[in-house]
Amino acid sequence: KQEVTQIPAALSVPEGENLVLNCSFTDSAIYNLQWFRQDPGKGLTSLLLIQSSQREQTSGRLNASLDKSSGRSTLYIAASQPGDSATYLCAVRSNTGNQFYFGTGTSLTVIP
Amino acid sequence: EAGVAQSPRYKIIEKRQSVAFWCNPISGHATLYWYQQILGQGPKLLIQFQNNGVVDDSQLPKDRFSAERLKGVDSTLKIQPAKLEDSAVYLCASSLGTGGYEQFFGPGTRLTVL
Repeated sequence: KQEVTQIPAALSVPEGENLVLNCSFTDSAIYNLQWFRQDPGKGLTSLLLIQSSQREQTSGRLNASLDKSSGRSTLYIAASQPGDSATYLCAVRSNTGNQFYFGTGTSLTVIP
Repeated sequence: EAGVAQSPRYKIIEKRQSVAFWCNPISGHATLYWYQQILGQGPKLLIQFQNNGVVDDSQLPKDRFSAERLKGVDSTLKIQPAKLEDSAVYLCASSLGTGGYEQFFGPGTRLTVL
């Protein structure tokens, strides 16, 4: 069974810093990996989707990379802002069974 | 484009009562998912539909949980009877299909079982 791990569980940075969030998974048989943002009491907002054949995706200040062979993905946030404060979740879609497996998330606080 | 709609947003019930949640996916999305998210954890897939057929319900506690997606559009998730440990946020998501498609989530229903 796929296991998805996100480290650290919580991260606090001053505004303006660049930061990296990590996601690792145990089974490389995946269709894709998706990064989400979750604000308190809200649903999940999709940030980036990387297909298994891709190495990275970019959207604005966000860049996500995927190294399928080593079972790792990173989400890079440039020039962090207080509005980036949220929990960031990664999910991998297994290509044996089509299930999505989520990590437990990284809670990010950007201090003004 | 309208997003995934869910109702109610909040529900408080006593243990052993029944509760139902409703989800309307994005128009044209064939695949619909129900997740359970316990506080401090990532979402856990309960059931996945492709049109009106079940693709995966391996983690659905079938003795008390049931779900249906009549006509391949809206879906209902029911818990009967509820237990204290069912307190969680229930998230509905949809995608164009299975495979490499992106998932889109609704706002969720927060269930508290007293």
